[in-house]
Amino acid sequence: KQEVTQIPAALSVPEGENLVLNCSFTDSAIYNLQWFRQDPGKGLTSLLLIQSSQREQTSGRLNASLDKSSGRSTLYIAASQPGDSATYLCAVSRRNNDMRFGAGTRLTVKP
Amino acid sequence: DADVTQTPRNRITKTGKRIMLECSQTKGHDRMYWYRQDPGLGLRLIYYSFDVKDINKGEISDGYSVSRQAQAKFSLSLESAIPNQTALYFCATMRDSYNEQFFGPGTRLTVL
Repeated sequence: KQEVTQIPAALSVPEGENLVLNCSFTDSAIYNLQWFRQDPGKGLTSLLLIQSSQREQTSGRLNASLDKSSGRSTLYIAASQPGDSATYLCAVSRRNNDMRFGAGTRLTVKP
Repeated sequence: DADVTQTPRNRITKTGKRIMLECSQTKGHDRMYWYRQDPGLGLRLIYYSFDVKDINKGEISDGYSVSRQAQAKFSLSLESAIPNQTALYFCATMRDSYNEQFFGPGTRLTVL
């Protein structure tokens, strides 16, 4: 059974700091890994999608890496801003075509 | 207009009532999904469908049923709602296993 874990559960940083969010999964047989942002009471917004054959993806200040063999992914946020405050979730797409989500990391960026 | 819409956005109901949550999409995707989100547990898959004739159980399907009325519509039913089904419910679509999932805004369901 695929388990997805995100550490830490919550993180508070001052504005401008670079930070790393972690995601680990137990079964390396995945199609891809996706990072999402969720604002309170809202739906999920896709940030980055990494295929199983890829090592990283970048979008603006965000960089996501994938090490499938070790079952780990990281989301790097450069020069954090208060508007980055949200919950960040990772999800893995499995060979039987469903997706498993981590519980998320709640990020607060203080002005 | 939003690509994935859900109705209702909020619903309060009583134990034992039948509830239907609806999802519509304009993305033209064949794959549709229903999830529930509970605090501290992330999203858990309830049901998913790859086309109109295909329905699959997810991780937590007990107490739920679905109907795929058309490529663009996927409904989730709670035949007899119970309090522990109080949660935030999300519908999502995906083109195929190699692409992103797109989520609706969610339905907040409270069962008293």
